[in-house]
Amino acid sequence: NAGVTQTPKFQVLKTGQSMTLQCAQDMNHNSMYWYRQDPGMGLRLIYYSASEGTTDKGEVPNGYNVSRLNKREFSLRLESAAPSQTSVYFCASSEALLGYSQETQYFGPGTRLLVL
Amino acid sequence: RKEVEQDPGPFNVPEGATVAFNCTYSNSASQSFFWYRQDCRKEPKLLMSVYSSGNEDGRFTAQLNRASQYISLLIRDSKLSDSATYLCVVNGRDSGNTPLVFGKGTRLSVIA
Repeated sequence: NAGVTQTPKFQVLKTGQSMTLQCAQDMNHNSMYWYRQDPGMGLRLIYYSASEGTTDKGEVPNGYNVSRLNKREFSLRLESAAPSQTSVYFCASSEALLGYSQETQYFGPGTRLLVL
Repeated sequence: RKEVEQDPGPFNVPEGATVAFNCTYSNSASQSFFWYRQDCRKEPKLLMSVYSSGNEDGRFTAQLNRASQYISLLIRDSKLSDSATYLCVVNGRDSGNTPLVFGKGTRLSVIA
């Protein structure tokens, strides 16, 4: 099993460009998440999907959109990139539906994005 | 009060030392507690779940104090390979159907 995979690993964008970050998991997990991690800020949740067909905003959703394409795949789109979106983006998945005790999240290796 | 607070460190300790991290959380209704480990430029990985009675896994001991709303992680006989950032993770809100909230992490450096 590959676990959680993310593409691309690195990306440089110019302000105003758009891009989609891809995430896939092969663990048959119900829930998937997108986080960003910035120095001194920790992991912040952008969007999540509790199950196939549903998506919800997290702590910092502005400037992003998501699509839960199927149970395996959850993509994050930046429509018009801004320098403030320079960050490391992590996708994660978990087996249980949200709120179950002892739910473990499994993370992908991350995408490092630089917006100039 | 932030939902999950941790001392950012860094904690610089010699090999073989015992080190403890504390984490406080604001939501008294939180039900799930974890410690994750994150190596430099890598993804977070689950280190331990934290159970009400406390739990131990080798050199690592996690404890939960609901009355004071804090979680602790104790590392005994520190190894160089323990150098990492340790993230405290808690349920975010009263409702069960909400994502986890991550603390900003405590950085540990174990020195030879």
